[in-house]
Amino acid sequence: QVQLVQSGAEVKKPGASVRVSCKASGYTFIGHYVHWVRQAPGQGPEWMGWINPNSGDTTYAQKFEGRVTMTRVTFINTVYMELSSLRSDDTAVYYCARDQGHVDTAPYMWGQGTLITVSS
Amino acid sequence: QSVLTQPPSASGTPGQRVTISCSGSTSNVGSNYVYWYQQLPGSAPKLLIYKDDQRPSGVPDQFSGSKSGISASLAISGLRSEAEADYYCASWDDSLAGYVFGPGTKVSVL
Repeated sequence: QVQLVQSGAEVKKPGASVRVSCKASGYTFIGHYVHWVRQAPGQGPEWMGWINPNSGDTTYAQKFEGRVTMTRVTFINTVYMELSSLRSDDTAVYYCARDQGHVDTAPYMWGQGTLITVSS
Repeated sequence: QSVLTQPPSASGTPGQRVTISCSGSTSNVGSNYVYWYQQLPGSAPKLLIYKDDQRPSGVPDQFSGSKSGISASLAISGLRSEAEADYYCASWDDSLAGYVFGPGTKVSVL
């Protein structure tokens, strides 16, 4: 079955960077865009951007331009999201989510989430 | 502040129909598809409705979506306790060049 398995929770200090991984299985990795969406405690989801695993092309939300980098390694079916210059308000659960391919491009199947805590 | 507006809460008794609204603007809901997600406590969001009114495989027909102008709605019919969750609308925003989510509506079954 389709699975997106993310890396574990991390605690980071302000100013540091964090990299979250998302390993895909059960489908053709290069056939589906992967989104990154975060959710701060008690808040709604916030879209950060997406990556086309086939080409490596990315689109980032304006808010995160210059601070986020999404990459992929196709031979291990894994995408990565790196966020730099962390601040306390970056504390959130970070999700990767696959689209529906040719049907629709919005986030469809989600990973389990990775809690990133930014604290001094 | 979210660019999409949802009521913070909605409720109903078992078997009732509950409707959740999502209001946006011409740069998002008015010109792009609307999506609805259900989030149970401690879980990732689950896509309920895509392209305004389409249900992904496996989503029961008790959930239905509609859109008119800059507003969209999610209806939950035959309300059951399992429907207690947070519900979020989402849409692509042309001005922001990205997906935007609403603040969410918490549905309670009385």
